Amino acid sequence: EVQLLESGGGLVQPGGSLRLSCVASGLTFSSYGMSWVRQAPGKGLEWVSVISGSGGSTYYADSVKGRFTISRDNSKNTMYLQMNSLRAGDTAVYYCAKNRGGIYYNMDVWGQGTTVTVSS
Amino acid sequence: DIQMTQSPSSLSASVGDRVTITCRASQGISNYLAWFQQKPGKAPKSLIYAASSLQSGVPSKFSGSGSGTYFTLTISSLQPEDFATYYCQQYSGYPHTFGQGTRLEIK
Repeated sequence: EVQLLESGGGLVQPGGSLRLSCVASGLTFSSYGMSWVRQAPGKGLEWVSVISGSGGSTYYADSVKGRFTISRDNSKNTMYLQMNSLRAGDTAVYYCAKNRGGIYYNMDVWGQGTTVTVSS
Repeated sequence: DIQMTQSPSSLSASVGDRVTITCRASQGISNYLAWFQQKPGKAPKSLIYAASSLQSGVPSKFSGSGSGTYFTLTISSLQPEDFATYYCQQYSGYPHTFGQGTRLEIK
């Protein structure tokens, strides 16, 4: 069974940084694209970023481009989201998700989420 | 960016009912459409991909159809555990945009 476990969320001041992690188990990690999706309090789902299995291809939502960086360490079955210059609007639950295949596939398995709060 | 519009935004139904939720794309996306279910305080759960393919382990009471710009999710014989929020998402092109969600409530 594939399992994803996010960590790294917390309270951070505007302008600050945070790094989220997503550890995967039960799969050949390098074979799959991996994604981040967030959900602001009381709002819908917002796709954030994706990374290919090799880590060589990435895409970002315009709302985070230039501030967030997605990466992965296949030797550790772990994906990361480095979040810099955080704003109040980045406050959300952040979910990692496994793609069914590469980066052009849908997401099929989700983690339980980690909460990021940006506030002074 | 491709815009995804779901309707209705909310829906009241009774146990045993059959309901249909629609999702429209602002441009053609072939069948690159997924559906997710989310219950309060929980992570989303994948239901359908490629517009009509059932994710492993998802009961056949859930069915999807459509292609191009118009898609539907139908849930038959509603049970209490089916009352949740449902989202569509296109994965034809980045960014992989979601619909705004449809909240399915018990009447």
